[in-house]
Amino acid sequence: NAGVTQTPKFQVLKTGQSMTLQCAQDMNHEYMSWYRQDPGMGLRLIHYSVGAGITDQGEVPNGYNVSRSTTEDFPLRLLSAAPSQTSVYFCASSPGGRPNYGYTFGSGTRLTVV
Amino acid sequence: GQNIDQPTEMTATEGAIVQINCTYQTSGFNGLFWYQQHAGEAPTFLSYNVLDGLEEKGRFSSFLSRSKGYSYLLLKELQMKDSASYLCAVKGVAAGNNRKLIWGLGTSLAVNP
Repeated sequence: NAGVTQTPKFQVLKTGQSMTLQCAQDMNHEYMSWYRQDPGMGLRLIHYSVGAGITDQGEVPNGYNVSRSTTEDFPLRLLSAAPSQTSVYFCASSPGGRPNYGYTFGSGTRLTVV
Repeated sequence: GQNIDQPTEMTATEGAIVQINCTYQTSGFNGLFWYQQHAGEAPTFLSYNVLDGLEEKGRFSSFLSRSKGYSYLLLKELQMKDSASYLCAVKGVAAGNNRKLIWGLGTSLAVNP
């Protein structure tokens, strides 16, 4: 089991560029989510999905899109990168109906927007 | 509003015991999580409490009091590798929102030799 795989690990973008952060899990988890982590701000939820074909917004969704066409994949798209999106991004998944399992996080993507 | 409070920083000595506190105010309660995050790495799951009392898992224990909105993480026989940030997170209850966690800012623990 690879767990949760995120790519790329590092990325530098110019303002206005778009890109997709990839997230894949092989644990058949129903729930997947994207967080950003900034110093002094903690983990903030961007978007989440409770199953294939179902997505919803978190607390900081502006500037980001997601889709969930399969159980395994949950890509995060930056539409037009801004310096305020410089952050560390984590994808996380968890199984349905088993809250004591906790979230499994990917290793993160460190994004810099210049 | 909803918030979680944890101390920002703590220091302790190798071999000692340390208690990291977490207080919360949320709209509803459906469980409390503790995660460990080493610098530059992803958070990893440590414990989950949904009922009052102490859950023990090896050197780590977690306690919950729902009436007081309070939890603590107890680390025994501290090792240098326990130097990390410890995140407290609460699952609140809201329509269509039952998977969202409210995260504390984390407590940075430094273990000294």
